[in-house]
Amino acid sequence: DIEMTQSPSTLSASVGDTVTITCRASQNINSWLAWYQQKAGKAPNLLIYKASTLQSGVPSRFSGSQSGTEFTLTISSLQPDDFATYYCQQYNSYSQTFGQGTKLEIK
Amino acid sequence: VQLVESGGGVVQPGRSLRLSCAASDSTFSTYAMHWARQTPGRGLEWVAVISYDGSKKDYADSVKGRFTISRDNSKNTMYLQISSLRTEDTAVYYCAKVRSTFWVNDAFDIWGQGTMVTVSP
Repeated sequence: DIEMTQSPSTLSASVGDTVTITCRASQNINSWLAWYQQKAGKAPNLLIYKASTLQSGVPSRFSGSQSGTEFTLTISSLQPDDFATYYCQQYNSYSQTFGQGTKLEIK
Repeated sequence: VQLVESGGGVVQPGRSLRLSCAASDSTFSTYAMHWARQTPGRGLEWVAVISYDGSKKDYADSVKGRFTISRDNSKNTMYLQISSLRTEDTAVYYCAKVRSTFWVNDAFDIWGQGTMVTVSP
């Protein structure tokens, strides 16, 4: 199975900051990677798919990039609503896997 | 499309349970569907997938042989039959729809609200 190593597990930041979250795949997944935001008690919400394509309705301060098997989610100019947990997901194969999650906290 | 799960509850180890995921409209029949589960300790875990027509299915190794995914497109509903339940199956179970019609491997653009399964003696 493909493993997704996500870092950091926790991130403290302030409103207005720019933050990055990274996921590394254990093997080539092409660009079949998605990012989700999850708030407590709710289902995950799709932010980005195919590594860098913004899902409809998602603010443009969210962006994704790729370098080989390393993927990055960048959130620019953090807003209060952005403090949540973020997950990456690879969907290169039927057997999909998620990263361990990054909790973004207010500093 | 909206998705609504049901069927969760408290069940003893070794027993069975059937989860349902009802979609709000008939476009359901053109999308592959997935089940995922989440626990505080293990995070999000992909569980199973079924193609739009039910011809292709796959399972996580942790549930293979115990879980069965199925769908009834005439009822806009997907199912997860869970047997030989273990305490480690305790989780919130989500159904999710893929973004693109007829694709199996794709990001999940719509999720249900989740249904809690608790396996306890």
